[in-house]
Amino acid sequence: NAGVTQTPKFQVLKTGQSMTLQCAQDMNHEYMSWYRQDPGMGLRLIHYSVGAGITDQGEVPNGYNVSRSTTEDFPLRLLSAAPSQTSVYFCASGTSGGGSYEQYFGPGTRLTVT
Amino acid sequence: GDSVTQMEGPVTLSEEAFLTINCTYTATGYPSLFWYVQYPGEGLQLLLKATKADDKGSNKGFEATYRKETTSFHLEKGSVQVSDSAVYFCASQRGYQKVTFGTGTKLQVIP
Repeated sequence: NAGVTQTPKFQVLKTGQSMTLQCAQDMNHEYMSWYRQDPGMGLRLIHYSVGAGITDQGEVPNGYNVSRSTTEDFPLRLLSAAPSQTSVYFCASGTSGGGSYEQYFGPGTRLTVT
Repeated sequence: GDSVTQMEGPVTLSEEAFLTINCTYTATGYPSLFWYVQYPGEGLQLLLKATKADDKGSNKGFEATYRKETTSFHLEKGSVQVSDSAVYFCASQRGYQKVTFGTGTKLQVIP
């Protein structure tokens, strides 16, 4: 049981390039999310999904696209990278239970845009 | 909107010292409250949670009590170890997508 996996671990992009951050989970969780972590700001929600084929925007969605064709995978696409997107990106999957939603995080992707 | 405020770090303690990391929240209604821990180079891991007022979450010697009257969820541990050195995040959640994280508190435990 690998949990939540993310690739790549590190990436450097030039301004204007596009790329896809991969995320997969093997826990059959219905919920998946993408966050970015910036110094002094905690984690902020970019996009989330409540099931295959269903996605919605979070707090900071601009410049990012997502899709969810399967329960397992939830890729994040950067359309035209900008230096402001330099951050650490975390994918999480979650399930409801015990009156709350528990999230399980991947190890993160550190992205630098020059 | 919702917000979570944590004490600034870093917090530096000697091994076996008592730990308190303060967390207060503002939210509509009755959120669930969480503490997550992040070790260097890793993602966040759920440490403990509480889903209603007066609930106490506990795990690995850490405890936190959901105090609705003071809107707080302070993290405590009676005797910290070097292995507890990490960044600790407090979070409130109302529904899966309405999660608000604090800015994190770095804990350093020295032998």
